[in-house]
Amino acid sequence: KNQVEQSPQSLIILEGKNCTLQCNYTVSPFSNLRWYKQDTGRGPVSLTIMTFSENTKSNGRYTATLDADTKQSSLHITASQLSDSASYICVVSGIYNTDKLIFGTGTRLQVFP
Amino acid sequence: EAQVTQNPRYLITVTGKKLTVTCSQNMNHEYMSWYRQDPGLGLRQIYYSMNVEVTDKGDVPEGYKVSRKEKRNFPLILESPSPNQTSLYFCASSSDGFRSYNEQFFGPGTRLTVL
Repeated sequence: KNQVEQSPQSLIILEGKNCTLQCNYTVSPFSNLRWYKQDTGRGPVSLTIMTFSENTKSNGRYTATLDADTKQSSLHITASQLSDSASYICVVSGIYNTDKLIFGTGTRLQVFP
Repeated sequence: EAQVTQNPRYLITVTGKKLTVTCSQNMNHEYMSWYRQDPGLGLRQIYYSMNVEVTDKGDVPEGYKVSRKEKRNFPLILESPSPNQTSLYFCASSSDGFRSYNEQFFGPGTRLTVL
């Protein structure tokens, strides 16, 4: 069964610190992997999109990495800000069923001053 | 401004009373989709549409209907809502499916409560 698992479920850090969120998936064969940021009560917003041939992609202070061999991805946030408090969702698309996305349940990040 | 809009944003209704949640996008996107989001379960796809008059079931289609008569609109219809359909609903669109770098844009969400 195609699955996407994220860890940790929740994370609390202090402003200015770095953090890394993990995503493991079983989708195979794999097409692309996305990271979204979702503020409470709002729709998800795309941060990065990577295909199987890419192993890193940055968007400002957000850097996503991908290891297609081990089926793992991480999202690294540098110098966190209060506005980074949100849920971060990992989403995977397979080659054969590219009309559907498989969503992880997200990591809830809270950044405190 | 490129956007996906949903209406209403909040809705409280009673069991069995038919309702429609509208979704509209102004980006000329071919692909549109509806999701529901429940605590601990993440986003789950209800229905999607690859183009006008082309719709297909997602992972949790029971109790829902959709239509795609125009490219920009993709309404979600609950013919006889039940309490287990209480959820946060999102509409999304993209230029086509998810084969490569096509970014998916989400609406602001509709919080539905069925009593």
